[in-house]
Parts: sequence; structure tokens; C-alpha cells
Amino acid sequence: KAGVTQTPRYLIKTRGQQVTLSCSPISGHRSVSWYQQTPGQGLQFLFEYFSETQRNKGNFPGRFSGRQFSNSRSEMNVSTLELGDSALYLCASRSGTGVSYEQYFGPGTRLTVT
Amino acid sequence: DAKTTQPNSMESNEEEPVHLPCNHSTISGTDYIHWYRQLPSQGPEYVIHGLTSNVNNRMASLAIAEDRKSSTLILHRATLRDAAVYYCTHKTGNQFYFGTGTSLTVIP
Repeated sequence: KAGVTQTPRYLIKTRGQQVTLSCSPISGHRSVSWYQQTPGQGLQFLFEYFSETQRNKGNFPGRFSGRQFSNSRSEMNVSTLELGDSALYLCASRSGTGVSYEQYFGPGTRLTVT
Repeated sequence: DAKTTQPNSMESNEEEPVHLPCNHSTISGTDYIHWYRQLPSQGPEYVIHGLTSNVNNRMASLAIAEDRKSSTLILHRATLRDAAVYYCTHKTGNQFYFGTGTSLTVIP
């Protein structure tokens, strides 16, 4: 079974631009979560989608948004990029939304904002 | 905000047991405790999870304190391939909380 895939793997953007990242979950997984990883703040939860609906949301500004499609693929968008948005963005999928779960992470998209 | 703390780094000799601690003082009674590990340039990899009692799988064991405010990931025989950053995490309410991570060095 193929793992979680994320595209692109690397991205360089300029401050003020916007960016869209893509995530394809493991086949059959309907829940997709997004995380931001930085050396200073560690792993921080952005949001979770299940069946095209945002189920949970972390403490990030409205510039960070996401969506999920009917095939469970997900995208996240960051508008008006700031230097502090430079990070590794990780996507994870799981089969449901229960309390006992295993998340499977993709390799991440490395975003650099200049 | 939930507080999940881990030591920054630990060392172990190869083929010896390793105990990686985590304090999750604000966890609630129904939150599962999960552990992941991350190798350089990779996404985190699931290791183990549990609720109250100790758990074992082919990778590791998880010991959970009776009050559930702390847990310990146990690698029974560390190998060089176990060198990674280990994260404890839990979902409380509508948020996923990750610890700061422990960088494990395995000495041959």
C-alpha cells in the first residue's frame, strides 16, 4: 500500500506571496491532518479534515487554510507569506477519527520564504 | 494549553535498553498517549500508543503511570537504526499536542 505523499517536496516563495501544498493520504484513509514543524516551535497542529469537513483546528491565523476533496486528497494554503512561515509542513492520514489511532506521516514539504 | 515535556537528548549504548520519559501533565482521562519517532529528512513514524495499561508491540513497550501524567517509551535493545528524535503526543479536545522531542543517540 502506498504511503502518504506530499507535493512539492521543496518550495521557495517570496514574502507576501501565497502557496498551496498538496497531500494524498493512504488509500482508504479519510482523515488528513496538517502540521507545521520548526526548530523553535517544534511540531504544531494546524487542522484536521475528515470527509471534506474541517473537524479540528489549531491556533494559527486565518492566513492558513485547507480543504479536502471527495477522494480524501487535501490541500493547505498559506496567504500573504511571512518569513516566519518558513517550515517543514507535514501531512498525516488515519483511517477514522476515533480516540485510538495511528497516524501515518508524509515526508513533508520544505517551505522557504525569502 | 497542554504541556508535554521531554528531555532534549539521551544516549544509549547499542543493545542496551532505553527508557524515554514524557510528562503530559494536562492530559485528560480519555486521551490516548502516542509515540512517534522521526529520522532526518523524514516525516514522523508511528511507534506505539496506549490509554492506561502498559502496551507492547514489535517495536517497543509503553509504560503509563497510574495517574497518566507521565509515560515511558521503552526500547528493549537499542540498535543504531533507533537513533532518531522521539515524540510523545496526545489529542486533547480538538487539538493534537506534541512534546518537544528527545534526540536519541545510540553509541556502537
